[in-house]
Amino acid sequence: QKEVEQDPGPLSVPEGAIVSLNCTYSNSAFQYFMWYRQYSRKGPELLMYTYSSGNKEDGRFTAQVDKSSKYISLFIRDSQPSDSATYLCAMSGGKLIFGQGTELSVKP
Amino acid sequence: SAVISQKPSRDICQRGTSLTIQCQVDSQVTMMFWYRQQPGQSLTLIATANQGSEATYESGFVIDKFPISRPNLTFSTLTVSNMSPEDSSIYLCSVEDYSHQETQYFGPGTRLLVL
Repeated sequence: QKEVEQDPGPLSVPEGAIVSLNCTYSNSAFQYFMWYRQYSRKGPELLMYTYSSGNKEDGRFTAQVDKSSKYISLFIRDSQPSDSATYLCAMSGGKLIFGQGTELSVKP
Repeated sequence: SAVISQKPSRDICQRGTSLTIQCQVDSQVTMMFWYRQQPGQSLTLIATANQGSEATYESGFVIDKFPISRPNLTFSTLTVSNMSPEDSSIYLCSVEDYSHQETQYFGPGTRLLVL
């Protein structure tokens, strides 16, 4: 079993849709939870960073962590074509462990 | 935030040859990291490079195959030795993000195709 599981997609949605991206993990030692966004032919960039269970909002993005269920989510409201990218969840308990990445396409 | 550059951005190589990838950071950092991102796979940590000491390799990666240099606090190289088509991948370097504990900044990556 992988330490971090993420649905690879691809996911295609119309512009303006609400997008939900999810990851599950098995290691209770993970304390820091992140979402990275990776555009084609670019390196990953940090999008959201959370430490505890609960929600964290930044503009159209909301990161949700449920440590009891070992489940994290990223919600994108009013999705835009510019949100088209691969989204990687990552978590850390000493070193970064990444999910497989979900490829998102937002159609105009 | 740190600005990271990598050279080359991409390359096509013949099997059996070696390629050295350079990573330059615009500020001094203690730790630099090298990752591999294979098609459809997650990022996998190859090794951690500290200035002035031997790199620390993750399980499944060895120094003979992926020698790393870290001559100063802003620069590192990763060599992919005796390449085979299975080494075709994106290679990324990263550094710690001191504003967010446990997170990292990533370079743009080097896209390697081995024929």
